[in-house]
Amino acid sequence: AQTVTQSQPEMSVQEAETVTLSCTYDTSESDYYLFWYKQPPSRQMILVIRQEAYKQQNATENRFSVNFQKAAKSFSLKISDSQLGDAAMYFCAHSPSGNTPLVFGKGTRLSVIA
Amino acid sequence: GAGVSQSPRYKVAKRGQDVALRCDPISGHVSLFWYQQALGQGPEFLTYFQNEAQLDKSGLPSDRFFAERPEGSVSTLKIQRTQQEDSAVYLCASSEGWNTDTQYFGPGTRLTVL
Repeated sequence: AQTVTQSQPEMSVQEAETVTLSCTYDTSESDYYLFWYKQPPSRQMILVIRQEAYKQQNATENRFSVNFQKAAKSFSLKISDSQLGDAAMYFCAHSPSGNTPLVFGKGTRLSVIA
Repeated sequence: GAGVSQSPRYKVAKRGQDVALRCDPISGHVSLFWYQQALGQGPEFLTYFQNEAQLDKSGLPSDRFFAERPEGSVSTLKIQRTQQEDSAVYLCASSEGWNTDTQYFGPGTRLTVL
């Protein structure tokens, strides 16, 4: 069975600083997809970034980037120049393809300190 | 364009009552997913549809849970004889239906069973 583990229940970062959220996963698939979703207090889940396992290059989206280590089954999210609006729950998720059910971790609550 | 919408946003039910939760996916999206999110946890898969076909319902916790999507658009998640452990946020997501697609989430319905 696929599992996703987020070992940091809570993290905090000073505004304008950089923070890294950790995620590890377990799968027997060789091709799969990994995602980071953000869930602000309003509850709407928003996609932050996605990574296809067959791509060696780490995905980036503006201030957000990932460190994908396939052999270690690790998928961390780096947020640069943190902003107050980045405060939210962050969920790491996995799926065998982009169009199959997602398996989520338990989430990391990120606080941004002004 | 409009995103995924869900109604009601909040539902309070007395134990033993039946409830129906509605999801309107993004227009034209073929795939529709239901997830259950308990307080402080990551979402967990319940069931999903491709058009009107229910492809996987392995995540439904009991036979009290039933989902349908009769015309391949709007979906309803029905919970019969609600119990306190059914209290959670129910999230709906839709995607275009291709392998590489991203799932877009609605705001969720918070169900409280008293």
